[in-house]
Amino acid sequence: GAGVSQSPSNKVTEKGKDVELRCDPISGHTALYWYRQSLGQGLEFLIYFQGNSAPDKSGLPSDRFSAERTGGSVSTLTIQRTQQEDSAVYLCASSRIAGGPQDTQYFGPGTRLTVL
Amino acid sequence: KQEVTQIPAALSVPEGENLVLNCSFTDSAIYNLQWFRQDPGKGLTSLLLIQSSQREQTSGRLNASLDKSSGRSTLYIAASQPGDSATYLCAVNDYKLSFGAGTTVTVRA
Repeated sequence: GAGVSQSPSNKVTEKGKDVELRCDPISGHTALYWYRQSLGQGLEFLIYFQGNSAPDKSGLPSDRFSAERTGGSVSTLTIQRTQQEDSAVYLCASSRIAGGPQDTQYFGPGTRLTVL
Repeated sequence: KQEVTQIPAALSVPEGENLVLNCSFTDSAIYNLQWFRQDPGKGLTSLLLIQSSQREQTSGRLNASLDKSSGRSTLYIAASQPGDSATYLCAVNDYKLSFGAGTTVTVRA
């Protein structure tokens, strides 16, 4: 596609519910990243995919967070039993190649998650 | 762990003035450094990317320098305009991006 797309753009949920956030990377990009932007923490790394595998999950804040990527393309970030502190903008980025001087990350518009 | 700091946190200037935004980072083992712009409620727009081997990069009124050995980058915006009002973020890439907290710029007409 022309750019990284994310859905939904906005999600309001009740505390304790599960949510799924979707990211469609730029076609042909092998690396995919999830970041989170919240008022108190700024922009922080969550997880990185190379193809369908996730070599670095170090940024996931708790075991309620998980992510998968299928077909080397679409990725889904799942948050189980949402808490109010999960409220943030979740950003997805993709790059043609992971790491190295050719790694330019392109960002999607984000999903704004509000947990009531 | 990479720490990225941006100074100042906020900046207000009259139209036409040049802007100087500073970014510092603690670990010089990076592939590149990116400057982004973020408008309120919007996503990130990439402005400039400087490879670790480069000293500077220019695009129109924007110029970014990189001194990897001292862990510093500076973004210069010449002849500022009200449309330049936004938050500017720098991010260092050691395969994942580590972001600064940003500098919020207001250009007064």
